[in-house]
Amino acid sequence: QKEVEQNSGPLSVPEGAIASLNCTYSDRGSQSFFWYRQYSGKSPELIMFIYSNGDKEDGRFTAQLNKASQYVSLLIRDSQPSDSATYLCAVNLYGQNFVFGPGTRLSVLP
Amino acid sequence: DAGVIQSPRHEVTEMGQEVTLRCKPISGHNSLFWYRQTMMRGLELLIYFNNNVPIDDSGMPEDRFSAKMPNASFSTLKIQPSEPRDSAVYFCASSPAGPASDTQYFGPGTRLTVL
Repeated sequence: QKEVEQNSGPLSVPEGAIASLNCTYSDRGSQSFFWYRQYSGKSPELIMFIYSNGDKEDGRFTAQLNKASQYVSLLIRDSQPSDSATYLCAVNLYGQNFVFGPGTRLSVLP
Repeated sequence: DAGVIQSPRHEVTEMGQEVTLRCKPISGHNSLFWYRQTMMRGLELLIYFNNNVPIDDSGMPEDRFSAKMPNASFSTLKIQPSEPRDSAVYFCASSPAGPASDTQYFGPGTRLTVL
């Protein structure tokens, strides 16, 4: 079983809609959780991080964490074509040992 | 700040040749990470350093790979001898000490092609 799993997509949403990206992880000891955005041919860029159960909002982005279900999600409200990218979920297992999921490709249609 | 700097940006080499990738982390950051990204395996952590000391190299695929960090502003990842299956994008990332130590800043990557 992979340590961090994501639906590879592509996930297509119309402009202005809410995009919902999901991630599950296998190690219950995981402490911190991250969402990175990666445009094609570019490097990953940190969007959000979350440590505690519940929701964390930053502008149009909301990260949700449920440690009991080992589930973390990213909601993007009012999706824009510029949000079209691959979104990587990452988990810090211990120390600074980060494990990334395979990524979900998001396409926002004008 | 200039961000994480990697060189070269592109490298094409032949099987059996030695390849050296270079990274300059953001000034003041004390952790440095080397990742490899392929379509098949995604983004994989190869090794990371803390205060120039290798902490976890369990992701290094085999003895052909080696990494060094001789000082706080420079690191290398060497592949010797290179093989076609090493073709990938190699990213270097750095993070600061303290409460923001989870925040990694990625360099632009080196696209390696081994023929």
